[in-house]
Amino acid sequence: GAVVSQHPSWVICKSGTSVKIECRSLDFQATTMFWYRQFPKQSLMLMATSNEGSKATYEQGVEKDKFLINHASLTLSTLTVTSAHPEDSSFYICSVPAGLKANEQFFGPGTRLTVL
Amino acid sequence: DQQVKQNSPSLSVQEGRISILNCDYTNSMFDYFLWYKKYPAEGPTFLISISSIKDKNEDGRFTVFLNKSAKHLSLHIVPSQPGDSAVYFCAASANTDKLIFGTGTRLQVFP
Repeated sequence: GAVVSQHPSWVICKSGTSVKIECRSLDFQATTMFWYRQFPKQSLMLMATSNEGSKATYEQGVEKDKFLINHASLTLSTLTVTSAHPEDSSFYICSVPAGLKANEQFFGPGTRLTVL
Repeated sequence: DQQVKQNSPSLSVQEGRISILNCDYTNSMFDYFLWYKKYPAEGPTFLISISSIKDKNEDGRFTVFLNKSAKHLSLHIVPSQPGDSAVYFCAASANTDKLIFGTGTRLQVFP
Protein backbone atom coordinates (compact mmCIF):
# COMPACT_ATOMS: atom_id res chain seq x y z
CA GLY A 1 0.00 0.00 0.00
CA ALA A 2 0.91 3.65 -0.24
CA VAL A 3 3.24 5.12 2.35
CA VAL A 4 1.85 8.28 3.88
CA SER A 5 3.81 10.48 6.26
CA GLN A 6 2.79 13.40 8.44
CA HIS A 7 4.86 16.11 10.01
CA PRO A 8 5.04 16.96 12.79
CA SER A 9 3.92 13.90 14.72
CA TRP A 10 3.01 16.06 17.67
CA VAL A 11 2.89 19.78 18.36
CA ILE A 12 2.13 21.95 21.36
CA CYS A 13 1.28 25.58 20.78
CA LYS A 14 -0.14 28.56 22.55
CA SER A 15 -3.69 29.67 22.03
CA GLY A 16 -3.99 32.11 19.13
CA THR A 17 -1.10 30.79 17.10
CA SER A 18 -1.32 28.95 13.79
CA VAL A 19 -0.06 25.46 13.21
CA LYS A 20 0.75 23.81 9.89
CA ILE A 21 0.56 20.05 9.45
CA GLU A 22 2.03 18.38 6.38
CA CYS A 23 0.82 15.21 4.73
CA ARG A 24 3.03 13.53 2.16
CA SER A 25 2.38 10.59 -0.09
CA LEU A 26 5.84 9.09 -0.39
CA ASP A 27 5.37 6.64 -3.21
CA PHE A 28 2.06 7.53 -4.76
CA GLN A 29 0.82 10.59 -6.60
CA ALA A 30 -2.45 11.72 -5.13
CA THR A 31 -4.76 14.27 -6.70
CA THR A 32 -6.95 13.86 -3.64
CA MET A 33 -6.09 13.59 0.03
CA PHE A 34 -8.41 13.45 3.02
CA TRP A 35 -8.08 15.16 6.40
CA TYR A 36 -9.67 13.62 9.49
CA ARG A 37 -9.86 14.64 13.10
CA GLN A 38 -10.27 12.30 16.03
CA PHE A 39 -11.15 13.43 19.54
CA PRO A 40 -10.40 11.05 22.42
CA LYS A 41 -12.59 7.97 22.42
CA GLN A 42 -14.48 9.20 19.40
CA SER A 43 -14.67 8.28 15.76
CA LEU A 44 -12.53 9.59 12.95
CA MET A 45 -14.44 12.47 11.44
CA LEU A 46 -13.75 13.60 7.91
CA MET A 47 -12.98 17.31 7.89
CA ALA A 48 -12.24 17.98 4.27
CA THR A 49 -11.11 16.60 0.94
CA SER A 50 -7.97 18.20 -0.40
CA ASN A 51 -7.83 18.53 -4.19
CA GLU A 52 -4.61 19.18 -6.10
CA GLY A 53 -4.91 22.34 -8.15
CA SER A 54 -8.29 23.39 -6.80
CA LYS A 55 -10.07 24.31 -3.61
CA ALA A 56 -10.64 21.83 -0.85
CA THR A 57 -14.10 20.48 -0.16
CA TYR A 58 -15.12 20.89 3.46
CA GLU A 59 -17.59 18.79 5.39
CA GLN A 60 -20.58 20.39 7.02
CA GLY A 61 -19.69 22.18 10.20
CA VAL A 62 -15.98 22.57 9.43
CA GLU A 63 -14.83 26.18 9.19
CA LYS A 64 -12.80 26.57 6.01
CA ASP A 65 -11.31 29.87 7.18
CA LYS A 66 -10.02 28.22 10.31
CA PHE A 67 -8.71 25.03 8.75
CA LEU A 68 -6.82 26.10 5.65
CA ILE A 69 -5.93 23.35 3.23
CA ASN A 70 -3.41 23.65 0.45
CA HIS A 71 -2.71 20.80 -1.94
CA ALA A 72 0.55 22.10 -3.31
CA SER A 73 1.57 19.10 -5.38
CA LEU A 74 0.61 15.55 -6.15
CA THR A 75 2.50 14.39 -3.08
CA LEU A 76 1.88 17.12 -0.52
CA SER A 77 -1.15 18.53 1.23
CA THR A 78 -1.02 20.89 4.20
CA LEU A 79 -3.57 21.66 6.88
CA THR A 80 -3.13 24.93 8.76
CA VAL A 81 -5.08 25.41 11.95
CA THR A 82 -5.35 29.18 12.22
CA SER A 83 -5.71 30.98 15.55
CA ALA A 84 -5.77 27.68 17.38
CA HIS A 85 -7.73 27.34 20.60
CA PRO A 86 -7.75 24.59 23.23
CA GLU A 87 -10.87 23.05 21.71
CA ASP A 88 -8.86 22.43 18.52
CA SER A 89 -6.65 20.03 20.44
CA SER A 90 -7.11 16.74 18.68
CA PHE A 91 -5.48 14.02 16.62
CA TYR A 92 -5.34 15.00 12.95
CA ILE A 93 -4.91 12.27 10.37
CA CYS A 94 -4.57 12.46 6.62
CA SER A 95 -5.16 9.72 4.10
CA VAL A 96 -4.57 8.97 0.46
CA PRO A 97 -7.07 7.05 -1.62
CA ALA A 98 -5.89 3.83 -3.20
CA GLY A 99 -6.45 4.43 -6.85
CA LEU A 100 -9.60 6.14 -7.99
CA LYS A 101 -11.86 4.94 -5.23
CA ALA A 102 -12.31 7.12 -2.15
CA ASN A 103 -13.48 4.18 -0.13
CA GLU A 104 -10.05 2.56 0.02
CA GLN A 105 -7.55 4.75 1.79
CA PHE A 106 -4.08 4.59 3.25
CA PHE A 107 -3.69 6.62 6.40
CA GLY A 108 -0.82 8.64 7.72
CA PRO A 109 0.43 8.19 11.28
CA GLY A 110 -1.42 11.25 12.54
CA THR A 111 -0.46 14.49 14.28
CA ARG A 112 -1.30 15.16 17.90
CA LEU A 113 -2.09 18.86 18.40
CA THR A 114 -2.29 20.29 21.89
CA VAL A 115 -3.26 23.93 22.25
CA LEU A 116 -2.50 25.46 25.63
CA ASP B 1 -26.58 11.31 13.23
CA GLN B 2 -24.22 8.39 13.65
CA GLN B 3 -24.65 6.31 10.51
CA VAL B 4 -22.14 3.68 11.59
CA LYS B 5 -22.29 2.45 15.14
CA GLN B 6 -20.11 0.22 17.25
CA ASN B 7 -22.08 -0.25 20.41
CA SER B 8 -19.38 -2.04 22.37
CA PRO B 9 -16.64 0.40 23.35
CA SER B 10 -14.45 -2.40 24.62
CA LEU B 11 -13.97 -6.16 24.46
CA SER B 12 -11.70 -8.43 26.42
CA VAL B 13 -10.80 -11.89 25.08
CA GLN B 14 -8.42 -14.59 26.16
CA GLU B 15 -5.58 -15.48 23.85
CA GLY B 16 -6.50 -18.30 21.48
CA ARG B 17 -10.21 -17.62 21.68
CA ILE B 18 -12.39 -15.93 19.10
CA SER B 19 -12.90 -12.17 19.11
CA ILE B 20 -16.14 -10.90 17.61
CA LEU B 21 -16.48 -7.19 16.94
CA ASN B 22 -19.83 -5.85 15.84
CA CYS B 23 -20.91 -2.91 13.74
CA ASP B 24 -24.35 -1.62 12.76
CA TYR B 25 -25.25 0.90 10.10
CA THR B 26 -28.34 2.84 9.16
CA ASN B 27 -27.74 3.96 5.58
CA SER B 28 -29.04 1.38 3.12
CA MET B 29 -26.98 3.03 0.37
CA PHE B 30 -23.74 1.79 1.88
CA ASP B 31 -22.25 -0.80 -0.44
CA TYR B 32 -18.71 -1.23 0.81
CA PHE B 33 -17.51 -1.92 4.32
CA LEU B 34 -14.05 -1.97 5.83
CA TRP B 35 -12.38 -2.75 9.12
CA TYR B 36 -9.36 -0.80 10.32
CA LYS B 37 -7.05 -1.44 13.24
CA LYS B 38 -5.57 1.45 15.14
CA TYR B 39 -2.88 1.70 17.78
CA PRO B 40 -2.63 4.78 20.02
CA ALA B 41 -1.02 7.79 18.35
CA GLU B 42 -0.93 6.04 14.99
CA GLY B 43 -3.08 6.16 11.89
CA PRO B 44 -5.53 3.35 11.11
CA THR B 45 -4.29 0.39 9.12
CA PHE B 46 -6.54 -1.51 6.76
CA LEU B 47 -7.52 -5.02 7.80
CA ILE B 48 -10.24 -6.40 5.60
CA SER B 49 -13.17 -5.25 3.49
CA ILE B 50 -16.37 -6.60 2.04
CA SER B 51 -18.64 -5.54 -0.79
CA SER B 52 -22.39 -5.57 -0.33
CA ILE B 53 -22.71 -8.29 -2.97
CA LYS B 54 -21.03 -10.71 -0.59
CA ASP B 55 -21.93 -11.92 2.87
CA LYS B 56 -18.52 -13.17 3.92
CA ASN B 57 -14.88 -12.42 3.27
CA GLU B 58 -11.98 -14.22 4.85
CA ASP B 59 -8.31 -13.35 5.10
CA GLY B 60 -6.22 -15.54 7.36
CA ARG B 61 -7.37 -15.16 10.94
CA PHE B 62 -9.81 -12.39 10.00
CA THR B 63 -13.31 -12.94 8.65
CA VAL B 64 -15.92 -10.29 8.03
CA PHE B 65 -19.60 -11.19 7.87
CA LEU B 66 -22.25 -8.93 6.38
CA ASN B 67 -25.97 -9.21 7.07
CA LYS B 68 -27.60 -6.66 4.79
CA SER B 69 -31.13 -7.26 5.99
CA ALA B 70 -30.07 -6.50 9.54
CA LYS B 71 -27.64 -3.77 8.45
CA HIS B 72 -25.03 -5.46 10.56
CA LEU B 73 -21.48 -6.60 10.05
CA SER B 74 -19.02 -8.33 12.28
CA LEU B 75 -15.31 -9.03 12.36
CA HIS B 76 -14.16 -12.39 13.67
CA ILE B 77 -10.57 -12.89 14.74
CA VAL B 78 -9.56 -16.44 15.47
CA PRO B 79 -7.40 -17.35 17.18
CA SER B 80 -6.93 -14.06 18.99
CA GLN B 81 -3.36 -13.02 19.79
CA PRO B 82 -2.02 -10.42 22.23
CA GLY B 83 -0.77 -8.41 19.26
CA ASP B 84 -4.35 -7.99 18.14
CA SER B 85 -4.96 -5.68 21.08
CA ALA B 86 -5.91 -2.33 19.52
CA VAL B 87 -8.91 -0.21 18.65
CA TYR B 88 -10.93 -1.54 15.72
CA PHE B 89 -13.00 0.76 13.54
CA CYS B 90 -15.56 -0.29 11.01
CA ALA B 91 -16.19 2.05 8.12
CA ALA B 92 -18.70 2.22 5.31
CA SER B 93 -19.11 4.03 2.03
CA ALA B 94 -21.72 4.45 -0.68
CA ASN B 95 -20.82 4.46 -4.38
CA THR B 96 -17.06 4.70 -3.71
CA ASP B 97 -17.66 7.94 -1.82
CA LYS B 98 -16.04 9.02 1.42
CA LEU B 99 -15.65 6.71 4.38
CA ILE B 100 -17.93 6.98 7.39
CA PHE B 101 -16.33 5.55 10.51
CA GLY B 102 -17.82 3.98 13.60
CA THR B 103 -16.74 5.00 17.08
CA GLY B 104 -14.40 2.07 17.54
CA THR B 105 -14.10 -0.93 19.84
CA ARG B 106 -11.05 -1.42 22.01
CA LEU B 107 -10.00 -5.05 21.94
CA GLN B 108 -7.77 -6.43 24.64
CA VAL B 109 -6.39 -9.93 24.25
CA PHE B 110 -4.97 -11.28 27.48
CA PRO B 111 -2.78 -14.38 27.95
